[in-house]
Amino acid sequence: RKEVEQDPGPFNVPEGATVAFNCTYSNSASQSFFWYRQDCRKEPKLLMSVYSSGNEDGRFTAQLNRASQYISLLIRDSKLSDSATYLCVVSNQAGTALIFGKGTTLSVSS
Amino acid sequence: EAGVAQSPRYKIIEKRQSVAFWCNPISGHATLYWYQQILGQGPKLLIQFQNNGVVDDSQLPKDRFSAERLKGVDSTLKIQPAKLEDSAVYLCASSLDSNTVSDTEAFFGQGTRLTVV
Repeated sequence: RKEVEQDPGPFNVPEGATVAFNCTYSNSASQSFFWYRQDCRKEPKLLMSVYSSGNEDGRFTAQLNRASQYISLLIRDSKLSDSATYLCVVSNQAGTALIFGKGTTLSVSS
Repeated sequence: EAGVAQSPRYKIIEKRQSVAFWCNPISGHATLYWYQQILGQGPKLLIQFQNNGVVDDSQLPKDRFSAERLKGVDSTLKIQPAKLEDSAVYLCASSLDSNTVSDTEAFFGQGTRLTVV
């Protein structure tokens, strides 16, 4: 089983749609969780950290389920500018590197 | 604040040649990473430094790849000899201190796009 697994998509949605991405991780001892965004031919950038209590940043909501080892990202009211690849990222313990999933591609059309 | 600087941006070499990439992390960041990103995949860790010590190089193909971070600041990644399958984007990233959970956020450079022909 891969350490971090994501549905690669692509997800093709119209503007204004709500879309959800899922991610599972294999190491139950994982401590830190993130969603990164990567635009075509650009470097990954942190979108948001994911906390056990769930967290929201504008149109973006991240959830963590430690029992199921599952992370989600919900995007409401999709914009054209949301088109990108979304990378699920896990850090197993303090001092270790970030482990990236393959990414989920989102394409928002008008 | 200046970000992570990498050079060159692009490199084309023939197989069996050698190549070197350079990275200057954000000032004050103790942790430095080199990732390899093949088209259509997520970044894969090659090596992690904490200051000038290696924390994790378990996925570095040591027969051809080497990296160093002298003085705990700049870093270079070298491939010698290159193979066709080394064609990828090589991303350097830094974080304030990976030993502190709250300081784990990694900031990436723009990457070096390597094409081996």
